[in-house]
Amino acid sequence: QVQLQESGPGLVKPSQTLSLTCTVSGGSISSGGYYWSWIRQHPGKGLEWIGYIYYSGSTYYNPSLKSRVTISVDTSKNQFSLKLSSVTAADTAVYYCAREPITGTTNYFDYWGQGTLVTVSS
Amino acid sequence: QSALTQPRSVSGSPGQSVTISCTGTSSDVGGYNYVSWYQQHPGKAPRLMICDVSKRPSGVPDRFSGSKSGTTASLTISGLQAEDEADYYCCSYAGSYTYVVFGGGTKLTVL
Repeated sequence: QVQLQESGPGLVKPSQTLSLTCTVSGGSISSGGYYWSWIRQHPGKGLEWIGYIYYSGSTYYNPSLKSRVTISVDTSKNQFSLKLSSVTAADTAVYYCAREPITGTTNYFDYWGQGTLVTVSS
Repeated sequence: QSALTQPRSVSGSPGQSVTISCTGTSSDVGGYNYVSWYQQHPGKAPRLMICDVSKRPSGVPDRFSGSKSGTTASLTISGLQAEDEADYYCCSYAGSYTYVVFGGGTKLTVL
């Protein structure tokens, strides 16, 4: 059974960089066949896709966040990470990591982490 | 404001059926058969319930079904049970630039 677990600071100061890591267990990121995504949920709001990474390091980001987002992968640790720069209160949200199978004929997220709340405040 | 429009809330009694709609555009819901639905209980991670408009992943009860007509997708839950009370989100592929968009979520109350 694949499991994903987010980790990182729960409080970040405005203008600083938010950094989170997702640790994958029960499967290897380097086996390929999946995109590994970050998705966030503002308090009481809907979901917003942030971006994904493939095990090779190729990425794609939400155009609305692209200038501030960096997603990286560490296959030796079976982890992938999110960095979001120049944060403001509007970036306060629960951040999820999730897995998306790559088939060329489908699009969905089949496994999600439990989520971690990140609050941006001084 | 979310890209896909869902009703904020729906309700039904145990044993009844409810349908949750998800309205998009020809650039997302109407353009691809890649609509998925997620169930989220308070404080929990979203769970995939429907993919590719109407496919049920292994382990999802057959009480859950999905469909699409034009730019509106729908999730129907029949034989409502207390444990179905949760928030439900739709998601659609939106092309190679935007990639995916989500709905704002619908709170299902089982009366």
